[in-house]
This record gives sequence, structure tokens and C-alpha cells, in this order.
Amino acid sequence: EAQVTQNPRYLITVTGKKLTVTCSQNMNHEYMSWYRQDPGLGLRQIYYSMNVEVTDKGDVPEGYKVSRKEKRNFPLILESPSPNQTSLYFCASSLASHQPQHFGDGTRLSIL
Amino acid sequence: KQEVTQIPAALSVPEGENLVLNCSFTDSAIYNLQWFRQDPGKGLTSLLLIQSSQREQTSGRLNASLDKSSGRSTLYIAASQPGDSATYLCAVIMDSNYQLIWGAGTKLIIKP
Repeated sequence: EAQVTQNPRYLITVTGKKLTVTCSQNMNHEYMSWYRQDPGLGLRQIYYSMNVEVTDKGDVPEGYKVSRKEKRNFPLILESPSPNQTSLYFCASSLASHQPQHFGDGTRLSIL
Repeated sequence: KQEVTQIPAALSVPEGENLVLNCSFTDSAIYNLQWFRQDPGKGLTSLLLIQSSQREQTSGRLNASLDKSSGRSTLYIAASQPGDSATYLCAVIMDSNYQLIWGAGTKLIIKP
């Protein structure tokens, strides 16, 4: 089954404790992206990757890192999480940036 | 900078009614416009995609229209059902950089 898988689905942690949210897709997609969703703001892009070893900042990259060492994986790293990063996070992938994106089920992060 | 607005933010209607959700955008230089559905605890499901050269797309009881010159799109849902209850999001892909810009969504409740 074609899918985008995020882990964990839910995480409650404390300020400053490094965490990684994994994202994996099995559709051989070139393009992958991370978004955060906050009430009343819609989804905002954090980082995206056009292909392996190519990553670029989206609209709200501060406090986040990503890597794209393999085509299928695109982890989101919070080196020193802060409470303002409490949000619902979505990973997405597509054949190319202008093609329809497939979304994971989301990761709800709470930073205390 | 592109801004995507969805009105109303929430809508509650009795089962069986036809309804229209609205989406407006400030920059008409879009590649395409998409409507998504978001269910609680789930990812986003693409419903309809309208290319910038198209006027409308239909899928079952759903019809989406696009008026690029006026910066508007509507999602028409015919004969609404309780299973249609969800948050509906519209998003545009920009011509310049293929970035996906999102509205904040309309939360729809269909009352049995």
C-alpha cells in the first residue's frame, strides 16, 4: 500500500530535549516536505527536499533541521525544542513539487 | 505574498442540504488549486485538483470551481451526509516556485 509513515504519532516532551520525527514513503517520490499546523493559521511549510541530498527552507524553518540521505526518508529534527514548537506536524511526498502530495497521518508534539 | 482565506471558519448544516465552501487567494499567479479533507487524527486527503487553465472539477457529489482572475474557488457538496463532517482545506501551488500555500480551513458539521 502506497503510504507516508510518520513516527511517533504523539509525543510529550520537555524543553531542550532533542527529538526526531521520522518520515518514510514507499512511492519512490522525489519531493518531500514538512509542515506544521496551528489553529487558525493553516499549514505552514518548514523544510522541503526536491531530491536526495537537496533540502531547502520553507516559511518557518527556525528551530528545525532536516536531512535527506535516502530518497525514502526525511526526518525532522528539533535540536532544542521549545514550547512554541508545540504543534501538529505533517510529512508529505510527491513525484515532483507541483504534483499532488500524499500526507502522513500527522505527529502531535507537545513541548512542556 | 500569497494569502489564502477560507470563509466561514465553521459551518453546521442539516443532513441532505447542498452547501458551498469558499476559498479566496490574493495572487492569481497560481499553478493549480487543491481541495483537501482532514479528519481528526488523520492526515489530509486530496479531494479535487484544478489546474490554473481549468474552470472546474467534479468527483461524485463534489464540484470545485476556479475563477483565477477574481482569486476565488468554491467547493460545492451536494446532498450532504454526516460522513462529510470534516475540516476542508484549500491550497494553491504558486507558479513561481511551486510552493503550496494553505488556507486555515472550514470545519464542517453535518447534523443527522
